Amino acid sequence: DIQMTQSPSSLSASVGDRVTITCRASQSISSYLNWYQQKPGKAPKLLIYAASSLQSGVPSRFSGSGSGTDFTLTISSLQPEDFATYYCQQSYSTPYFFGQGTRLEIK
Amino acid sequence: QVQLQESGPGLVKPSETLSLTCTVSGGSVSSGSYYWSWIRQPPGKGLEWIGYIYYSGSTNYNPSLKSRVTISVDTSKNQFSLKLSSVTAADTAVYYCAREEGSSSENWFDPWGQGTLVTVSS
Repeated sequence: DIQMTQSPSSLSASVGDRVTITCRASQSISSYLNWYQQKPGKAPKLLIYAASSLQSGVPSRFSGSGSGTDFTLTISSLQPEDFATYYCQQSYSTPYFFGQGTRLEIK
Repeated sequence: QVQLQESGPGLVKPSETLSLTCTVSGGSVSSGSYYWSWIRQPPGKGLEWIGYIYYSGSTNYNPSLKSRVTISVDTSKNQFSLKLSSVTAADTAVYYCAREEGSSSENWFDPWGQGTLVTVSS
């Protein structure tokens, strides 16, 4: 099984800040890595697929990078609506695993 | 656009079987381009993939749940379903259905249903 580890688990930041969240796979997954945003009481929403492809309708301040075992999600300038929990997920092989989540809070 | 909606009992007794249905609108479960998945999230915790089904009926389950899980599809009703047997309190979670899109290993979950909370309690 390919486990996913995110860091940090939580993060405090201010509107306008640049934020980076890291996801590491327990073995190489090429670029088969997705990012989701989840707000309280809501279903996760796809932000980035295949490591760096921006899902249609997602603001361009979100970007993803990486390959192999190390990946990052970057928000270039935080907006109030971006405070949420973020999950990475590997699609390289089943069973699919998600990271434990990174909770992004307002400073 | 495609929308998914979960339905089923919100309360299940220990040792019984949890049964949920996901109704797909704005698209077809018979499309050969997608897999149809179930994912769950215990309260305050992370996401766990349960398994998926293809319109042909072929399935792939998480080994951690495989002995208790059955996912089926009803193309005539444009629905797919989840059964989880011998439930315990550890199965209490919000259960989501989702469409898996992509090809080969380049797959992702989009869209998701709104989720339904299932509590296991006597």
